[in-house]
Amino acid sequence: SQKIEQNSEALNIQEGKTATLTCNYTNYSPAYLQWYRQDPGRGPVFLLLIRENEKEKRKERLKVTFDTTLKQSLFHITASQPADSATYLCASYNYGQNFVFGPGTRLSVLP
Amino acid sequence: ETGVTQTPRHLVMGMTNKKSLKCEQHLGHNAMYWYKQSAKKPLELMFVYNFKEQTENNSVPSRFSPECPNSSHLFLHLHTLQPEDSALYLCASSQDEVGGSHRREEQFFGPGTRLTVL
Repeated sequence: SQKIEQNSEALNIQEGKTATLTCNYTNYSPAYLQWYRQDPGRGPVFLLLIRENEKEKRKERLKVTFDTTLKQSLFHITASQPADSATYLCASYNYGQNFVFGPGTRLSVLP
Repeated sequence: ETGVTQTPRHLVMGMTNKKSLKCEQHLGHNAMYWYKQSAKKPLELMFVYNFKEQTENNSVPSRFSPECPNSSHLFLHLHTLQPEDSALYLCASSQDEVGGSHRREEQFFGPGTRLTVL
């Protein structure tokens, strides 16, 4: 069955550093991957989408990569701020199917 | 605000109660979803509706009953729930392309209903 793994349940980094979160998928090839941010008690909010034929996408301080050989996506937040503290979810999609979400990584940016 | 609202935000119910969760999307989307989110577990897809028709029932127990009267509204009717059903229930919507690849883009989530079953 399709499965998404996010390597770290929690990640602590110092303010100003780059946070790197990992998403791995197995047993299939998604058409695209998405990253969402979720704050406590709130619903996820869409951040970025990267397709299987794209290597890298950027949006302000966010960057996401997609390596189909490694079956992996990396999500980077540069110049991290305490306001970036949240849980980040990776989700995959294949045409004609539904989204599959990973368990999330809880990021804490320490001042 | 994401354009998806959910009521109530919090709900406490006994195992013999009947209650309903409501979701409304103001985005003109044609697909709506119910997800369950339990602590330390991935989002679990429960139901999917496309153009008001249910297209997915992800092996959800019959004590959860969805209803989609129109493309903007989605309900989840709850009956004789168990304590392990306590979770955050999230509604989402998206704009899908029908036919061909049936592409689905980003999903817009509501704030969720925090359900506690005693």
